[in-house]
Amino acid sequence: SAVISQKPSRDICQRGTSLTIQCQVDSQVTMMFWYRQQPGQSLTLIATANQGSEATYESGFVIDKFPISRPNLTFSTLTVSNMSPEDSSIYLCSVAQGRGEQYFGPGTRLTVT
Amino acid sequence: GDSVTQMEGPVTLSEEAFLTINCTYTATGYPSLFWYVQYPGEGLQLLLKATKADDKGSNKGFEATYRKETTSFHLEKGSVQVSDSAVYFCALTSPGGSQGNLIFGKGTKLSVKP
Repeated sequence: SAVISQKPSRDICQRGTSLTIQCQVDSQVTMMFWYRQQPGQSLTLIATANQGSEATYESGFVIDKFPISRPNLTFSTLTVSNMSPEDSSIYLCSVAQGRGEQYFGPGTRLTVT
Repeated sequence: GDSVTQMEGPVTLSEEAFLTINCTYTATGYPSLFWYVQYPGEGLQLLLKATKADDKGSNKGFEATYRKETTSFHLEKGSVQVSDSAVYFCALTSPGGSQGNLIFGKGTKLSVKP
């Protein structure tokens, strides 16, 4: 399985600022995903990021709030823009491998004050 | 739409007890089914999977069987350890949804006491 790292592992940010989260994979992958896990909740897919094309966002998530870059087959970033306390969550990236399974990074724990 | 329902927690067991976490699903077609585990402070790890009816996924003493007739994928372990304390998520890959999109249940928190 792919080994996935994320930076930063955690951060505390002020309301109104932006944070960019990096996701690095140790092998080339076609599909990468970004999820949000709000406190005590399950995972919600934010968007699918394919190299060389615009990210595909799920209902309730927009590019202005969560811009995503995918410059190559091993790297992606997610920016959380103009943050509010409601954005406090764990953000996870994942990659698709095999028959539908996904492998996840360790997550970025974001607290917005 | 496609969905996953799993038993609500928290579940508290003594060490060496038998574990069952129920999971049922709704999907058109034939989804692949997964159990993920999230240890405290960590990301999700794939625990086991099954891709077709009657398949049994197994790993680290955990098992789950893909039951199409009951649309279920219950997680079991014969003897739990303190180190199994974690949140367990049942998930499916929707055959009719976005490519690669995993649909998760709400998670079941397991606490194992010595």
